[in-house]
Amino acid sequence: DAGVTQSPTHLIKTRGQHVTLRCSPISGHKSVSWYQQVLGQGPQFIFQYYEKEERGRGNFPDRFSARQFPNYSSELNVNALLLGDSALYLCASSIDRDTNYGYTFGSGTRLTVV
Amino acid sequence: EDQVTQSPEALRLQEGESSSLNCSYTVSGLRGLFWYRQDPGKGPEFLFTLYSAGEEKEKERLKATLTKKESFLHITAPKPEDSATYLCAVRNFNKFYFGSGTKLNVKP
Repeated sequence: DAGVTQSPTHLIKTRGQHVTLRCSPISGHKSVSWYQQVLGQGPQFIFQYYEKEERGRGNFPDRFSARQFPNYSSELNVNALLLGDSALYLCASSIDRDTNYGYTFGSGTRLTVV
Repeated sequence: EDQVTQSPEALRLQEGESSSLNCSYTVSGLRGLFWYRQDPGKGPEFLFTLYSAGEEKEKERLKATLTKKESFLHITAPKPEDSATYLCAVRNFNKFYFGSGTKLNVKP
């Protein structure tokens, strides 16, 4: 059974550009969350989507947006990239909205902004 | 302000030397405390969820406990394969907060 898959695995972008990151949750998982992890720090919560609706949002600027599709896959979009957006972006899925059974994380997308 | 603080930042143990990792939190409306393990270059791996003070959970050499203000992850007789960064997170309604983690290195 496939785990949480994220694409691409690595990405290099220039300041000011736009980026789209993709995530496919574990089959049967209806909740997808996005996290940003800067080197040496814990993941920071960006969004949670459940049943295609936004259920939670962290303290990130409006340049960050996301959506969830009918098949429960998700995209994270970041506009007007800044150098400080360089990080590992993690997608996590769970079977329920309240993550009572914990998240399953993907291996992440490493974004470098130059 | 909701926050999670983990200590120590790094811990070196000899194989078989038991120890504990600490996770202190301040959050309004705790809806679960989570422990994860993260290996370099990988996403965090779920270990435990705790919901109420006094609750304990065990998995192999790991045991997690919870009080009203903090959680401990006890590691009994660790092995080199237990080396990883251990992350603590709390859920407050629909937001999640992670600590910066404790990097554990177990020497043979």
